[in-house]
Amino acid sequence: SQQGEEDPQALSIQEGENATMNCSYKTSINNLQWYRQNSGRGLVHLILIRSNEREKHSGRLRVTLDTSKKSSSLLITASRAADTASYFCATPLTGANSKLTFGKGITLSVRP
Amino acid sequence: DTGVSQDPRHKITKRGQNVTFRCDPISEHNRLYWYRQTLGQGPEFLTYFQNEAQLEKSRLLSDRFSAERPKGSFSTLEIQRTEQGDSAMYLCASNPGQGNTGELFFGEGSRLTVL
Repeated sequence: SQQGEEDPQALSIQEGENATMNCSYKTSINNLQWYRQNSGRGLVHLILIRSNEREKHSGRLRVTLDTSKKSSSLLITASRAADTASYFCATPLTGANSKLTFGKGITLSVRP
Repeated sequence: DTGVSQDPRHKITKRGQNVTFRCDPISEHNRLYWYRQTLGQGPEFLTYFQNEAQLEKSRLLSDRFSAERPKGSFSTLEIQRTEQGDSAMYLCASNPGQGNTGELFFGEGSRLTVL
């Protein structure tokens, strides 16, 4: 079963716009992670936010976590065509270092 | 460090044949994971190893699937008597293990097509 569910399933924006993607999860977590996957390639880790953190930044990425609502959002600012990819949220089910479970992903298309 | 490497990247086989995938994790990473991903879905956990010990297997891993990590370094995933439903991307990932936050380092995957 999949722990995280991303929303929307697909997002199409113009280059330069911001992209916001949401993830909801079901059980208590130790951390939540976001990954990116280019078509036909492996996943690349983007950012991790711990359960005691509310917001985290990394370059053009901003992730928030609301444990009361069991939700997270990933914001990509000033999007570029190269940001076109699928984005997944992932959580470890038990403990900090257990296997990750992934959502179905969000397909982001950034039009030049 | 060359990252996680997987071989082959693509495999086309006929139904009923056996296939084997290999994964070389980042050196000194104790944990190695196998995931399966079908089109339009997120990766689904199959199994993972702590060094050479296989610590958990998903119910998705039927008896036709077997994974090994004999020396605690590279791992192989074998699928016997392949079925069309086995067509998927098989992803390998590793991380340092104990004390780590759980971030996974993925390989590029091995895409299997069963005709």
